[in-house]
Amino acid sequence: AQSVAQPEDQVNVAEGNPLTVKCTYSVSGNPYLFWYVQYPNRGLQFLLKYITGDNLVKGSYGFEAEFNKSQTSFHLKKPSALVSDSALYFCAVRSLGNQGGKLIFGQGTELSVKP
Amino acid sequence: DAGVTQSPTHLIKTRGQHVTLRCSPISGHKSVSWYQQVLGQGPQFIFQYYEKEERGRGNFPDRFSARQFPNYSSELNVNALLLGDSALYLCASSLDGDGGYTFGSGTRLTVV
Repeated sequence: AQSVAQPEDQVNVAEGNPLTVKCTYSVSGNPYLFWYVQYPNRGLQFLLKYITGDNLVKGSYGFEAEFNKSQTSFHLKKPSALVSDSALYFCAVRSLGNQGGKLIFGQGTELSVKP
Repeated sequence: DAGVTQSPTHLIKTRGQHVTLRCSPISGHKSVSWYQQVLGQGPQFIFQYYEKEERGRGNFPDRFSARQFPNYSSELNVNALLLGDSALYLCASSLDGDGGYTFGSGTRLTVV
């Protein structure tokens, strides 16, 4: 079965420090991986995706993610955190097959950036 | 260009009632997917439609149904509402159903 795990429920970072939000996946075949961000009472906003190519993917708002096939990980990173980055972050993998192109999401990681 | 639009934004229903949620995809997008997000959890896949045909169904009871119209907009229907159906219902559209997904802001359903 295909799955995504986000091992940390919450990540706390001081403003200006680098941040990492962890994600590991389990899929058959080549993974299509995504990161989304959700602000309170809002829908999901797309940050970045990995389909193929370079293992370091750059996305919106200064975020990037590193795909590591041997460790089956796709960690989200940002060199310098902002207070406005505080939100809920979801990692997802696209599952293909007889159920179309559905996304399987992790449980989410609450990022808190303090001034 | 408008993004994915969902209506209504908030809804309060009583147990046993029926609800219809609506979604308009981005212009040109032919696929619509529905997700349920219960508080404190990640979104769970309910349905995907492409070119008006059901392309996938998640692990939800038959009380949940959906359809897609010729203009590619979609409705999600839930019958015999239970308290556990209280959630944020998200609609996502994509060009072909296999690529990138753009989400709407969701409909917050509260069942009392």
